[in-house]
Amino acid sequence: QSVLTQPPSASGTPGQRVTISCSGGSSNIGSNTVEWYHQLPGAAPKLLIFNDFQRPSGVPDRFSGSKSGTSASLAISGLQSEDEADYYCAAWDDSLHGVVFGGGTKLTVL
Amino acid sequence: QVQLVESGGGVVQPGRSLRVSCAVSGFTFSNYAFNWVRQAPGKGLEWVALISHDGSNKNYADSVKGRFTIFRDNFKNTLHLQMNSLTSEDTAVYFCARDQSSFGHKWFDLWGQGIQVTVSS
Repeated sequence: QSVLTQPPSASGTPGQRVTISCSGGSSNIGSNTVEWYHQLPGAAPKLLIFNDFQRPSGVPDRFSGSKSGTSASLAISGLQSEDEADYYCAAWDDSLHGVVFGGGTKLTVL
Repeated sequence: QVQLVESGGGVVQPGRSLRVSCAVSGFTFSNYAFNWVRQAPGKGLEWVALISHDGSNKNYADSVKGRFTIFRDNFKNTLHLQMNSLTSEDTAVYFCARDQSSFGHKWFDLWGQGIQVTVSS
């Protein structure tokens, strides 16, 4: 059971907007910044969002992050077939003294 | 060229030990904290351990505390994970990941390609 809770799956058609949620608690999301990673099958994860909403260079602005209280969200607009991947949220946990991940959300582009 | 390259994986019997390593190039290794993150077959990501830039501070997941040791050699630009008393639940791909921090965690901005560790009799 993951400390951060994500829906196991999400889907959308090309061009649509999809949102993936990440729910935590006061010791993690509530007091630390959230990161998002995506992972293609057989590949290493890649950073998508850091500091709740910032994008590394090279990540398109179709990807956006937000946070409110102990929950965070990743939104993908203008969905493309290459967005089909697993998406993970993560944050530092002050109680566990470690990084906690969500269980991951498998995004399918229909 | 910025690179993180893991090595040392393989098949090991339950109860035995194994060390995985991560060779770093293309940036100043000693400026950054580093982590190990693992992924069991068909499962999600699990953080394993974090070490500060100078090796003075280490944090571990409860699932590996007392069995695994993270350490680094800043002269050889190498990160290590010594894994003892291995069980089948440690079977996973192990990734080394650079932290955008020298002390503590901010985010993982660079990842290795991963190395398979299989614990089986």
